[in-house]
This record gives sequence, structure tokens and C-alpha cells, in this order.
Amino acid sequence: NAGVMQNPRHLVRRRGQEARLRCSPMKGHSHVYWYRQLPEEGLKFMVYLQKENIIDESGMPKERFSAEFPKEGPSILRIQQVVRGDSAAYFCASSPKGSGGIQYFGAGTRLSVL
Amino acid sequence: GQQVMQIPQYQHVQEGEDFTTYCNSSTTLSNIQWYKQRPGGHPVFLIQLVKSGEVKKQKRLTFQFGEAKKNSSLHITATQTTDVGTYFCAVDNDMRFGAGTRLTVKP
Repeated sequence: NAGVMQNPRHLVRRRGQEARLRCSPMKGHSHVYWYRQLPEEGLKFMVYLQKENIIDESGMPKERFSAEFPKEGPSILRIQQVVRGDSAAYFCASSPKGSGGIQYFGAGTRLSVL
Repeated sequence: GQQVMQIPQYQHVQEGEDFTTYCNSSTTLSNIQWYKQRPGGHPVFLIQLVKSGEVKKQKRLTFQFGEAKKNSSLHITATQTTDVGTYFCAVDNDMRFGAGTRLTVKP
């Protein structure tokens, strides 16, 4: 049973470009969470999705950031017009259930904006 | 959202010493989870506590949920260099994570 798969592991973008981060949850998991982590800091919640629905996006910046979890395929975190401050590790976690469910994390995508 | 405070932020110990990190909430929790993140790695689930006053052990790790279900602790007995990493608590319905306690162990 494959774990949570995130790709790419490392992503380099220039300012103004778009970044697309992908997350394939564990088999049978329909709940996906995205977190952002700056070096030496904690996990900052961004968004919680179920298939085809955004449940909680209270941690997402209002501009440039969007997330989806389509019926088929991976969850996507999209950052438009990236800026240097977007450089961070972005972790995805999946869970078999929502509230109180154990979260299984992917290895993360390290985004560097030049 | 609810406030989750985790202390201390950093802890440096000599190998063999004990270590404790605390997670405190401003509201009553239905459950709490603990995760460990090794340097350069990703968070890995350790344990979930649900019942008031619950105590669970994993080898040298002891996890406790307060009677009022507002706080929790993780205690490591006789730390080893393999215990190095950041320990996070995560609470409840919205799965917010505490800021974490970064543990370093001097051999």
C-alpha cells in the first residue's frame, strides 16, 4: 500500500511563474490536507479538502493560492505568480476520515523561488 | 480557531537525560495526536489520545492526556540521539498543529 505521494520533491521557479504541487493520497483516503513549513518553523495549516470539495481554506492566502481535489487524480496546490516569500516546504497529508483522523504525510515539496 | 500552545520551543539535552514537551489548549479537546519530524523529513504519526487522563507508552515514550482534556504531554526517558527531531501535537476537529518542540541530543 503506497504512502502519500508528493511530486515534485523539489521545485525551482522564478518570480512570477506558476508552481503546481501534486499530492496523491493513500489508497482509500478521501481527506487531504495541505501545510506549509518554513525552515525551523512549525506546520501552518493551509487547506482541507475532500473529493471535489474544499472543506476549510481558512489558512490559504486570499490571492495567488488555490487548491483542488478532483474526483479523479491527485490533489493540486497551485501558486500563481510566485514570490520569494513563497519559498518553503509544502506538505500534504491524507486521512481516511476527517475530524480526528490520523494524518499520513507525504515527503513534501521543497519550493525555491529565485 | 482554538489556540494550541506547545512548550518549550527548544530543548537541548545530554544523551541519557529525560525530555518532556507539553501541549496546552484553551478549549476542551476531543482528542490529541502527537507527531515526530526528523530533520529534513516529514511528520510521522506517533499516537492518538482520546480519553480523559489517558496514558499510553511506546518503549521510552510516555504520552498523557490531562483529566480536563485541555493539555497533553510527551515524555521521553533516557534520550538517545535517534530521538532528535521536532515533536508536534495536533488537536481535534481542525487538526491545527502546535508550533513544535525541537529536541537536540548531545552524545
